[in-house]
Amino acid sequence: DAGVIQSPRHEVTEMGQEVTLRCKPISGHNSLFWYRQTMMRGLELLIYFNNNVPIDDSGMPEDRFSAKMPNASFSTLKIQPSEPRDSAVYFCASSLPGRLNTEAFFGQGTRLTVV
Amino acid sequence: SQQGEEDPQALSIQEGENATMNCSYKTSINNLQWYRQNSGRGLVHLILIRSNEREKHSGRLRVTLDTSKKSSSLLITASRAADTASYFCATTPSGNTGKLIFGQGTTLQVKP
Repeated sequence: DAGVIQSPRHEVTEMGQEVTLRCKPISGHNSLFWYRQTMMRGLELLIYFNNNVPIDDSGMPEDRFSAKMPNASFSTLKIQPSEPRDSAVYFCASSLPGRLNTEAFFGQGTRLTVV
Repeated sequence: SQQGEEDPQALSIQEGENATMNCSYKTSINNLQWYRQNSGRGLVHLILIRSNEREKHSGRLRVTLDTSKKSSSLLITASRAADTASYFCATTPSGNTGKLIFGQGTTLQVKP
């Protein structure tokens, strides 16, 4: 398996534009996480899905952020409209949860810059 | 809000020395994990310790867990320059097998 695949790797956009980040989890994994990493706030859990259903979105900063998982092999994180303070590295991770095995596998991240 | 807090925030040692990083958390957990992140890369899982375990080893890594103090430590023995990275603890809250919450991380620099 190629691991968790995120696209794009880098995104530079102007304030006010819509940004869509994409993630393909590892085949067979049924949990998917979106994290945001900044120097100031560290690694923040934005939302996580279990079996394609959003379980906890309490970390989503505001209504400008939305995430979907239409099927087991694809998820998107959308920011509309984007703002400079959204600049960060966004990570997607997937896992096969259970009491014995909750190791998460991370993608390489998308570095978002909003100017 | 973040569950874990690492201590120290930054650590600089000489190659061959041991490095110890600590993590404290707030709620009851199912397990605690340690991850490593090289600059500009995603996080990589190192080791998982369950709430009913007190110590675990993996190669040069030793992890301890004290659930009464809600704390964990990661010891890297005989450090190498290649161990230079950021290290994060992550917890899965009790009753929730899916959610994974990370601490702020410790940046380790190992000087050759």
